[in-house]
Amino acid sequence: QVQLVQSGAEVKKPGASVKVSCKASGYTFTAYYIHWLRQAPGQGLEWIGWIKPNSVATSYAQKFQGRVTMTRDTSISTAYMELTRLRSDDTAVYYCARVRCSSSSCHLAPFEIWGQGTVVTVSS
Amino acid sequence: DIQMTQSPSSLSASVGDRVTITCQASQDINNYLNWYQQKPGKAPKLLIYDAFNLETGIPSRFSGSGSGTDFTFTISSLQPEDIATYYCQQFDSLPLTFGGGTKVEI
Repeated sequence: QVQLVQSGAEVKKPGASVKVSCKASGYTFTAYYIHWLRQAPGQGLEWIGWIKPNSVATSYAQKFQGRVTMTRDTSISTAYMELTRLRSDDTAVYYCARVRCSSSSCHLAPFEIWGQGTVVTVSS
Repeated sequence: DIQMTQSPSSLSASVGDRVTITCQASQDINNYLNWYQQKPGKAPKLLIYDAFNLETGIPSRFSGSGSGTDFTFTISSLQPEDIATYYCQQFDSLPLTFGGGTKVEI
């Protein structure tokens, strides 16, 4: 079945970096944009950015510009999100999500498939 | 950035009740509005897309309406398994933004 499986929980110190993976299966990985979002404890959802797996094109929320990098490895159908210079307020569950449509221009679309989430804790 | 104002932030209702949640965008987002359900410890789940389209496999007691800046999400007859937090989300323009969520309790 179509699914996204994310890497396991991470504990990092302030100033460190974290790289979360998102492995796709059950569909053509390069056909759908992947977005990354996060949810701080007890809070709502925050969009981080997207990657177009067939072209390495990316777009990031201004808040994360300069600290986030999204990449992918098409040979293993996996997307990555790396966040640097971590702070305590980066503590959150990080999600990858696949959009609902497969058009090459479909970067803005509903999130149909979600990963299970990766807990990232930033603490000294 | 487009601000999404969702209300109420929480509500308590009985099984069988009709539940309505509203979402207001700070500018016209056409029909580029989705509704998600999130249960504790789980990823969000798409229920309604493009303001009123029911996602495949979602029960028909869920519905959405509205256009422009004002949108409504309705559960026609609340069931125990509907206990969750519901979020609206606009995808008219970047950055994508969400409402603050509505926690539905029984």
